Amino acid sequence: AQSVTQPDIHITVSEGASLELRCNYSYGATPYLFWYVQSPGQGLQLLLKYFSGDTLVQGIKGFEAEFKRSQSSFNLRKPSVHWSDAAEYFCAVGAENSGYALNFGKGTSLLVTP
Amino acid sequence: EAGVAQSPRYKIIEKRQSVAFWCNPISGHATLYWYQQILGQGPKLLIQFQNNGVVDDSQLPKDRFSAERLKGVDSTLKIQPAKLEDSAVYLCASSPRGATDTQYFGPGTRLTVL
Repeated sequence: AQSVTQPDIHITVSEGASLELRCNYSYGATPYLFWYVQSPGQGLQLLLKYFSGDTLVQGIKGFEAEFKRSQSSFNLRKPSVHWSDAAEYFCAVGAENSGYALNFGKGTSLLVTP
Repeated sequence: EAGVAQSPRYKIIEKRQSVAFWCNPISGHATLYWYQQILGQGPKLLIQFQNNGVVDDSQLPKDRFSAERLKGVDSTLKIQPAKLEDSAVYLCASSPRGATDTQYFGPGTRLTVL
């Protein structure tokens, strides 16, 4: 069965510290991978996506993610977190054999402390 | 460029009542999606339209939920009758063609069923 797992429900980091949010997937076909951010009262905003090519993907707001096929992972990273990064982060996976409909993880809530 | 519009933003109803949500996608976007996001979870796809045809409605509870996309533009999602477990945020998204295109999300409609 196709699944997306975000192992960390909540993460707290200090402002200026580095961040890594984990995402693991289980898909039979070649997946297309996305990270979205959702701030309170806001819609989902795409941070970055991976379809093919270079496995290190750069996104908006200084985020990057690395696709590791051998580990079935697509972890999101940021070298220095800002207070405005506090939000809910969702990993999503799509595949050709599922009509590219996105399958979302349950999300990781990021808290940034001063 | 205007984003995805949804209305109403909030709706409170009693169980067994009916409710309808409206979505206006980004102009020119062929693909439209409705997602249900229950508190504490990631969005779950309910239905996907390509122009005015249904691509995927496998997770739509068809005994109570219905959706249409007339003329391949606006879409409505209806629940009749509503149950307590339908309390959620209903997100509409659109993408230019579907497949590997980025999905752009609206702000959502928060439904509370009492």
